[in-house]
Amino acid sequence: KNQVEQSPQSLIILEGKNCTLQCNYTVSPFSNLRWYKQDTGRGPVSLTIMTFSENTKSNGRYTATLDADTKQSSLHITASQLSDSASYICVVSVLSNDYKLSFGAGTTVTVRA
Amino acid sequence: NAGVMQNPRHLVRRRGQEARLRCSPMKGHSHVYWYRQLPEEGLKFMVYLQKENIIDESGMPKERFSAEFPKEGPSILRIQQVVRGDSAAYFCASSPDSLYSGNTIYFGEGSWLTVV
Repeated sequence: KNQVEQSPQSLIILEGKNCTLQCNYTVSPFSNLRWYKQDTGRGPVSLTIMTFSENTKSNGRYTATLDADTKQSSLHITASQLSDSASYICVVSVLSNDYKLSFGAGTTVTVRA
Repeated sequence: NAGVMQNPRHLVRRRGQEARLRCSPMKGHSHVYWYRQLPEEGLKFMVYLQKENIIDESGMPKERFSAEFPKEGPSILRIQQVVRGDSAAYFCASSPDSLYSGNTIYFGEGSWLTVV
């Protein structure tokens, strides 16, 4: 069964600090891994997309890493801002059925002043 | 910059009624996907449609649920005889081409269905 596990489930950080979110997956055969940001009551917004051959990808203060051998990914948020408070979702797709995205349950990040 | 438009954003239905959720994909997008997010859970794939065709509906319950994407107009997700377990957020997404090789998929803001 294709699964995506995220940790921690939630975390609280102070404004300006960094944090790292983890994603482990068992999806196979692997096609690509995406990180999304979902504000409360809103739809997911894409942050990064990585294919098998990519190890890291950045989008502003967000940096994602991928280790396809160990099936792990991380999302690093640098110099957090209050607007970073959201749920961050790891999404993995299967080769040849890319639309059947496997979603993690998300990590809820709360940034406090 | 019209993104994926979903309506209604919030819908309340009594048990046994019908719910119709509409989705207009981004301009130029011919691939539409519906996902469901139950409380405290991740999104789950329901159905993948292209214009006038259902490509894959393997994630959609076989009873009471149906989806269409007509030649003209929005995609419709229809839930008949709703039950409390149907209460969830339903997200529509679209893409200009298939998602092979990591093409971007754009999500709508979701439709929150509450069954009372």
